[in-house]
Amino acid sequence: DTAVSQTPKYLVTQMGNDKSIKCEQNLGHDTMYWYKQDSKKFLKIMFSYNNKELIINETVPNRFSPKSPDKAHLNLHINSLELGDSAVYFCASSQVPGRLKETQYFGPGTRLLVL
Amino acid sequence: DQQVKQNSPSLSVQEGRISILNCDYTNSMFDYFLWYKKYPAEGPTFLISISSIKDKNEDGRFTVFLNKSAKHLSLHIVPSQPGDSAVYFCAASVRGNNRLAFGKGNQVVVIP
Repeated sequence: DTAVSQTPKYLVTQMGNDKSIKCEQNLGHDTMYWYKQDSKKFLKIMFSYNNKELIINETVPNRFSPKSPDKAHLNLHINSLELGDSAVYFCASSQVPGRLKETQYFGPGTRLLVL
Repeated sequence: DQQVKQNSPSLSVQEGRISILNCDYTNSMFDYFLWYKKYPAEGPTFLISISSIKDKNEDGRFTVFLNKSAKHLSLHIVPSQPGDSAVYFCAASVRGNNRLAFGKGNQVVVIP
């Protein structure tokens, strides 16, 4: 009965490869997010989708492409992986902005290591 | 430019005593503030929040205080328990806007 789940939990890959991280939430939320936690431990938003529509796209290289097949899923595809992409990637979800409770609920994270 | 700042990256406290975590922000438009708790190898877990119309919100052992004029908030945990040992993130947003700005976190160690 996990609320926000991500797969895989660990991902080790070579530079130049393409990889995907999957996220699913069963909270009935309309909005989903991807965050990156870098080596300095800062959590920074990358993307946000509201009901399958992209609403936030921070300055992220276009090698990163989010895909939302439905409002319960937000996958992250990364092309041509670089060493600097090594980080922990967190998926999160929340209700529609403007509602009383906008708390974001996070998945367990995907630890990506690019060699 | 970090809009949410958490200094004093680590805190050690004896079990049963009070833990106080501080957070400062620079964006005066922020009107919703949250604290998240994170254990190793897990995602951040929502702990407590406060709206800018309040200056205090309490939930069990956790109390958040907000000082808007100083752009400062704090989290008090009392009494501290060993299970409270974790990294605590302060976050802020403008209500109606999805963007949560996070601090870099404070490590809390509660000594039994």
